[in-house]
Amino acid sequence: GAVVSQHPSWVICKSGTSVKIECRSLDFQATTMFWYRQFPKQSLMLMATSNEGSKATYEQGVEKDKFLINHASLTLSTLTVTSAHPEDSSFYICSASYGGTDTQYFGPGTRLTVL
Amino acid sequence: GDSVTQMEGPVTLSEEAFLTINCTYTATGYPSLFWYVQYPGEGLQLLLKATKADDKGSNKGFEATYRKETTSFHLEKGSVQVSDSAVYFCALMMDSSYKLIFGSGTRLLVRP
Repeated sequence: GAVVSQHPSWVICKSGTSVKIECRSLDFQATTMFWYRQFPKQSLMLMATSNEGSKATYEQGVEKDKFLINHASLTLSTLTVTSAHPEDSSFYICSASYGGTDTQYFGPGTRLTVL
Repeated sequence: GDSVTQMEGPVTLSEEAFLTINCTYTATGYPSLFWYVQYPGEGLQLLLKATKADDKGSNKGFEATYRKETTSFHLEKGSVQVSDSAVYFCALMMDSSYKLIFGSGTRLLVRP
């Protein structure tokens, strides 16, 4: 149980275009979803926290106009990278939790490459 | 700010060897501590956790004890298997936020 999927698993786009990444909780209702970014050989850095039906809370230094997060339902959150540039190339990972618990269930990640 | 430091990898061991991956933390309060594991091609999975000082988390033969006096949460396993090859992340969570702060991860490679 507690499976989280991400789509796509990898994406290549041209500089200046926008890319949407989906995160779904397959077998539970996720009251909270988290988006992380991971650079090669580095840790996961939390970008934002979103609760269903509310605006996302962004971490310091994360541009909210560039990384648009929508948590429209209890099973789906999306991250849109707007006007992507090569420096946005990274591994993006989502996680989900429910019921105010401290356990997060992670998706497999999405690798974004911006040319 | 709050942070987690863990030993750099990769750690390469032979099967049945003893494993220790060091993890220390800095926090203003009393965090919960976690170890997550990431197998190749998969998402992070919770391996074990401890929520207060002197608690021991354990799972699948892995153990870690929450040591407040040394601000540490070292991961140990008495006899590793090839299937334990993965990246291990130490993390902390402050009670009120539910936000995880991760260490940089340690890659473990177990050779037959």
